[in-house]
Amino acid sequence: QAVLTQPSSVPGSPGASARLTCTLRSGIDVGKSMIYWYQQKSGSPPQYLLRYKSDSDNQQGSGVPSRFSGSKLASANAGILVISGLQSDDEADYYCMIWHDGTWVFGGGTRLTVL
Amino acid sequence: EVRLVQSGAELRKAGESLKISCEGSGYTFYTYWVAWVRQMPGKGLEWMGIVFPGDADPKYSPSFQGQVTFSADKSRNTVYLELNNLKASDSAMYYCARHRGITWGIDHWGQGTLVTVFS
Repeated sequence: QAVLTQPSSVPGSPGASARLTCTLRSGIDVGKSMIYWYQQKSGSPPQYLLRYKSDSDNQQGSGVPSRFSGSKLASANAGILVISGLQSDDEADYYCMIWHDGTWVFGGGTRLTVL
Repeated sequence: EVRLVQSGAELRKAGESLKISCEGSGYTFYTYWVAWVRQMPGKGLEWMGIVFPGDADPKYSPSFQGQVTFSADKSRNTVYLELNNLKASDSAMYYCARHRGITWGIDHWGQGTLVTVFS
């Protein structure tokens, strides 16, 4: 089982909100994990969006709009990237990442389409 | 402004070697860790490992241990990724990326270096 599991694709609509999940493997406590989120647009390198551990321990990337925010769903052992007020420019691949067992691990990525 | 500038695209024959560079600027280069991340065509991101330019101390992901070599030249504000005995499966985009600390995630990325290996 992968350390981090992300849905392969999520559809969104302009103006709506999207919730992208990053589920941690059983045995890895989401409550103790700082989850990093990255956006990668087609043909470009990834960009750092934010990191989130809790409402009191999180950081927005420089210049990243407040429309992007992090949260967690403890019952699902998952981190969540919330994008509100979706724009066509938000269409991209989104990756989560955590520090686990002495190494950094990426999730498989979620393609967000905005139609 | 923090910048990581990588060397250009590479075309190599299977069995050959190559060395990709990543030059940092806009910050105190030798005090931040730099990672290498692979992205195979149409696939996701894979963290390969990290090097501390201050003492060229590399740490490799188990998946890449023995397959790649990291080095650094702090006098040139540059880190390097070396790939030997190239195979077609090494064809990928390789990114360097800055970590604030080994347990602090990536906050800046290079533009990527596309490596193509033909047989």
